[in-house]
Amino acid sequence: QSALTQPASVSGSPGQSITISCTGTSSDVGGYNYVSWYQQHPGKAPKLMIYEVSNRPSGVPDRFSGSKSGNTASLTISGLQAEDEADYYCSSYTSSSTLVVFGGGTKLTVL
Amino acid sequence: EVQLLESGGGLVQPGGSLRLSCAASGFTFSSYAMSWVRQAPGKGLEWVSAISGSGGSTYYADSVKGRFTISRDNSKNTLYLQMNSLRAEDTAVYYCAKWLGDYRGGIWYYYGMDVWGQGTTVTVSS
Repeated sequence: QSALTQPASVSGSPGQSITISCTGTSSDVGGYNYVSWYQQHPGKAPKLMIYEVSNRPSGVPDRFSGSKSGNTASLTISGLQAEDEADYYCSSYTSSSTLVVFGGGTKLTVL
Repeated sequence: EVQLLESGGGLVQPGGSLRLSCAASGFTFSSYAMSWVRQAPGKGLEWVSAISGSGGSTYYADSVKGRFTISRDNSKNTLYLQMNSLRAEDTAVYYCAKWLGDYRGGIWYYYGMDVWGQGTTVTVSS
């Protein structure tokens, strides 16, 4: 069982917006602004999409945005495109014994 | 170009050992903390270990503590993961990743991992 909770799957049509949630506790998501999001296509390495809750690395489209409220972080993808279909993982610093935790991952299907 | 290239994976029997390497290029290796992250077949990502830029501080997930050792050679721009007492549940693709943030003043700062290698596969089976 993952430390952070994500929905197993979400879907949307091209052009629409979707939001993926990531729920933790006050020891991780809620306690620090150190949430990051990763995109992973099948057979490929993860790619950083968002860091420190809402910052986008250079090269990541501004269709991708992050936010946080309490113990839940969210990744929003607007203007869905076919190439956005992938698995998405959230991650956070944690003050528990493990230092870094990941969510279980969310499979995004673009209909 | 910033790049990480893992090697050293393979098939090993339960109880055996393996050492993974990750060669870094395109950035000042010694300035950044590094991590190993693994992904079991069909499963999600699991953080395994981290090491500070100087190599003086390390951290491990409970699942590998006492069995795995992370290290680095900044003169060779290379990260290592020595894996001992391997179990079937250690079977996974192992990724090395460059850490955003570092270890300073006794505190780990984790903002994310911005560069990942392509991964190397470790299979533990008899």
